[in-house]
Amino acid sequence: KNQVEQSPQSLIILEGKNCTLQCNYTVSPFSNLRWYKQDTGRGPVSLTIMTFSENTKSNGRYTATLDADTKQSSLHITASQLSDSASYICVVSGGTALIFGKGTTLSVSS
Amino acid sequence: NAGVTQTPKFRVLKTGQSMTLLCAQDMNHEYMYWYRQDPGMGLRLIHYSVGEGTTAKGEVPDGYNVSRLKKQNFLLGLESAAPSQTSVYFCASSRTLAGFPHPYNEQFFGPGTRLTVL
Repeated sequence: KNQVEQSPQSLIILEGKNCTLQCNYTVSPFSNLRWYKQDTGRGPVSLTIMTFSENTKSNGRYTATLDADTKQSSLHITASQLSDSASYICVVSGGTALIFGKGTTLSVSS
Repeated sequence: NAGVTQTPKFRVLKTGQSMTLLCAQDMNHEYMYWYRQDPGMGLRLIHYSVGEGTTAKGEVPDGYNVSRLKKQNFLLGLESAAPSQTSVYFCASSRTLAGFPHPYNEQFFGPGTRLTVL
């Protein structure tokens, strides 16, 4: 069964600290993996896309990694800011299917 | 460029009432989608459209109907609302079909409609 599991479910960190969010998937065939950021009360916005041949991709303070062999991805946030407080959703494309994870809720406190 | 817009932003219905949610996009995207998002669950696809005049069922289509009479608009209808349909509804659009292995499969989401059915 195609599944996307994200961990942790929620996370609280202090402003300025780093954190890493995890995404494990069992989607086959695999096409690509996207990380979305969803601010409270808003729709998700794409942060980055990872294809099969890509291991690492950065978007400012956000760095995504992909290990296609172990079917794992991570999203690393460097020097967190209050504006990073949001839900982060991992979405995997497989064939013509799009599988959404349940998301990780990140709270950054001052 | 407004992107994807949704109306209304909030709505409260009584059980059995009907309503239509409107989604509009100005990016000339062929593909449009309706999702619902419930606490503790990921986004779930209700219906989608691959072009003007075409619609298809997603993962949770029961109790909903859709229409795509114009390329830029995608309507979601609830014929007889039930409390189980209390949710946040998101519309999205994309240049290519979202599940396809193509870099342009990024979905652009609207701000959502919060619906409560009493």
